[in-house]
Amino acid sequence: DAGVTQSPTHLIKTRGQQVTLRCSPISGHKSVSWYQQVLGQGPQFIFQYYEKEERGRGNFPDRFSARQFPNYSSELNVNALLLGDSALYLCASSVGNQPQHFGDGTRLSIL
Amino acid sequence: GEDVEQSLFLSVREGDSSVINCTYTDSSSTYLYWYKQEPGAGLQLLTYIFSNMDMKQDQRLTVLLNKKDKHLSLRIADTQTGDSAIYFCAESITGGSYIPTFGRGTSLIVHP
Repeated sequence: DAGVTQSPTHLIKTRGQQVTLRCSPISGHKSVSWYQQVLGQGPQFIFQYYEKEERGRGNFPDRFSARQFPNYSSELNVNALLLGDSALYLCASSVGNQPQHFGDGTRLSIL
Repeated sequence: GEDVEQSLFLSVREGDSSVINCTYTDSSSTYLYWYKQEPGAGLQLLTYIFSNMDMKQDQRLTVLLNKKDKHLSLRIADTQTGDSAIYFCAESITGGSYIPTFGRGTSLIVHP
């Protein structure tokens, strides 16, 4: 079975631009979460979605938004990019109280 | 709130055992996880334990939980060079949405 897939794998943007990252969960997983991991740190929680509804939100500005589609895939949008948004963005999916399974991430570089 | 602490680095010789330690602060019922991250990759779930358990063993991996001291450890027996990676401890609270809070990760270096 396919794991969590994320696209693109790498992305380079400039300050002020907007970016959309995509995630497909493991088949049968209805919950999708997004994390930001900067170099040298653990992943920081951004959003969790379940059945297209937002279930949780971390301490990130309103420039960050997300949505989940009827097939449970998800998009993360970041507007007005800042240099500090450079990071690895990880998507994870889960079912019930089972542990989250992560994709390989999208490496976002802001110039 | 939740806070997870880990030492940042561990260096071991190939064939020795590695022990990676973690402390957490929340005393509520929790799940505790160990994830592995290799360079350029996402997080791979290694194992997890519920807070009513003391120990869990899975092949070369042994997780020990001291609930009184809020201390979690991951022991890797017969450490190999392929075990070189960053290991993250994480905690989530049951009854919520099971969103894990991660430590900063321990970089394990295995040398011949």
